[in-house]
Amino acid sequence: EVQLVESGGGLVQPGGSLKLSCVASGFIFSGSAMHWVRQAAGKGLEWVGRIRSKGNSYATAYAASVRGRFNISRDDSKNTAYLQMNSLKTEDTAVYYCTRSDHYFYSYMDIWGKGTTVTVSS
Amino acid sequence: DIQMTQSPSSLSASVGDRVTITCRASQSISNYLNWYQQKPGKAPKLLIYAASSLQSGVPSRFSGSGSGTDFTLTISSLQPEDFATYYCQQSYSLLTFGGGTEVEIK
Repeated sequence: EVQLVESGGGLVQPGGSLKLSCVASGFIFSGSAMHWVRQAAGKGLEWVGRIRSKGNSYATAYAASVRGRFNISRDDSKNTAYLQMNSLKTEDTAVYYCTRSDHYFYSYMDIWGKGTTVTVSS
Repeated sequence: DIQMTQSPSSLSASVGDRVTITCRASQSISNYLNWYQQKPGKAPKLLIYAASSLQSGVPSRFSGSGSGTDFTLTISSLQPEDFATYYCQQSYSLLTFGGGTEVEIK
């Protein structure tokens, strides 16, 4: 079965850190770009960032709102992508989805996880 | 950054109606435009990629068109399961989503 399963969400204080994981199965993880997309309660979707495959030098890119605070990595041997979130702010509170794309240019996200909830609050 | 503006932000329609949602980019993005459907409490689902290509398994009543800065998603005959929120997303320069269009039952 093709799926992505996120974990690691929870409650964290402002200024704190949290690391999310995303385990993939049912498709060739190593050849896919992996993205993180978030959604605050009652709001729209916001792309957070992505990491390309080894063949594309594991290139990363981030939205301006998280650049310098968040870092995306991957372990192809474990079929797992990660989102390290540092210096968290209350506005980072959201459901975080892991997704994948396998087209270099069009970057359409055809597989999504169910999401994990991150709450930043004191 | 490229901004994506969807209109309307919400609409009310009846089963069987033809529905059109518009997405406008702040600069030309060629056909680097994808559409998603999201139902409450669920992850988004890919409908259309590269502006007009139908994702496998998606009903043919969904179609997309446009190039440059103006794009449309059309549902030719609205079905009960189509009541949801729809998002456009550009991939010309990094990725950006539109604000969403909620399709409600009239």
